[in-house]
Amino acid sequence: QLQLQESGPGLVKPSETLSLTCNVSGGSIFSSSYYWGWIRQTPGKGLEWIGNVYYSGSSDYNPSLKSRVTLSVDMSKNQFSLRLTSVTAADTAVYYCARQGYHYGFDVWGQGAMVTVSS
Amino acid sequence: DIQMTQSPSTLSASVGDRVTITCRASQSIASWLAWYQQKPGKAPKLLLYKASTLESGVPSRFSGSGSGTEFTLTISSLQPDDFATYYCQQYNSSPFTFGPGTKVD
Repeated sequence: QLQLQESGPGLVKPSETLSLTCNVSGGSIFSSSYYWGWIRQTPGKGLEWIGNVYYSGSSDYNPSLKSRVTLSVDMSKNQFSLRLTSVTAADTAVYYCARQGYHYGFDVWGQGAMVTVSS
Repeated sequence: DIQMTQSPSTLSASVGDRVTITCRASQSIASWLAWYQQKPGKAPKLLLYKASTLESGVPSRFSGSGSGTEFTLTISSLQPDDFATYYCQQYNSSPFTFGPGTKVD
């Protein structure tokens, strides 16, 4: 069955860029039926949707992060990625990648990647 | 942004109890609502979508209802595996937003 796995640095310095990749296995990212999303979770703000990206590369971002976020897809590697620039301690969170069907919830999730922003 | 609220924030219950959690949206989201269950250290798990449609593999003791701005998640007979935190999420319009969660302990 479809599985998602996040990877990337667990520690990022303030003002630098957070980069995470989600590897998709057991299925193809090339699907017109699904969006590929990122969600983060902090004790203070709970679950926060960061954005979704479609296999074509079109994307939709949370306006609260839009100026700092880029989502992209690499179909050759069956992966999608998150870049978050100019990070601060407020970006410390568990970051999840997930799949969302059209008019559907997020039905497949990665295990989550803890990212700490600290010098 | 559409704000989601949940009540109660914490619910104390026993095995066999009927449990009801309420989720409210700040504006109408039709039926575009999902419910998730999350256990400590784990990713959320989709339970229901479109307010009342059970995700494949989810036990039938879970049910959902509502439309517009008020929704409920009901567990008909609480099982030991159901002690967890439950979140609602609207996907009617971007940015998609989650409720703050209800912990069932």
